[in-house]
Amino acid sequence: NAGVTQTPKFQVLKTGQSMTLQCAQDMNHNSMYWYRQDPGMGLRLIYYSASEGTTDKGEVPNGYNVSRLNKREFSLRLESAAPSQTSVYFCASTGTALGSLSLHFGNGTRLTVT
Amino acid sequence: SQQGEEDPQALSIQEGENATMNCSYKTSINNLQWYRQNSGRGLVHLILIRSNEREKHSGRLRVTLDTSKKSSSLLITASRAADTASYFCATDLSNYQLIWGAGTKLIIKP
Repeated sequence: NAGVTQTPKFQVLKTGQSMTLQCAQDMNHNSMYWYRQDPGMGLRLIYYSASEGTTDKGEVPNGYNVSRLNKREFSLRLESAAPSQTSVYFCASTGTALGSLSLHFGNGTRLTVT
Repeated sequence: SQQGEEDPQALSIQEGENATMNCSYKTSINNLQWYRQNSGRGLVHLILIRSNEREKHSGRLRVTLDTSKKSSSLLITASRAADTASYFCATDLSNYQLIWGAGTKLIIKP
């Protein structure tokens, strides 16, 4: 059982380039999330999808777009990368609202923007 | 908008000792969760404690919650080298959003 799978694991971009981070879960979870993690800070929510067909902004959505392709897949796109987007990106999923269940995380994508 | 704050930021102890880390938060909550993150990996859920609970155990983990002080503690007993990791608390902002602390980095010395 793979859980939450993120690709790629590492990526280096030049300022202005675009890329899509892929995430897939095989746990039949309804809700999916994209977070970024920066040194000395907690995780910050970029976007989330409460259920298939819906997406909502989190705390730090500027510079990002998302697509909930189907129940399994939730992608994060950087249209024009900036050095401030250098970070580790985590995808997570959960079966229902957070009040009753915990998050399942992928192993992250480490992105450097030069 | 960081709500949870862990204390200490870093903790280094000998194998076999107990490790205690604390989390403080600012607003009322429905539940509080603790996660572990090993170096280079994603976070793993450890335990969830609801606002009407005061203490919860899971194996060598003991979590307490004091809603009057808006604080929680995570105790790891009889620490092992494999417990070396960063530990994060998270509180619910809404049905789909958690607020995370910056974490406590725990090092277990052999």
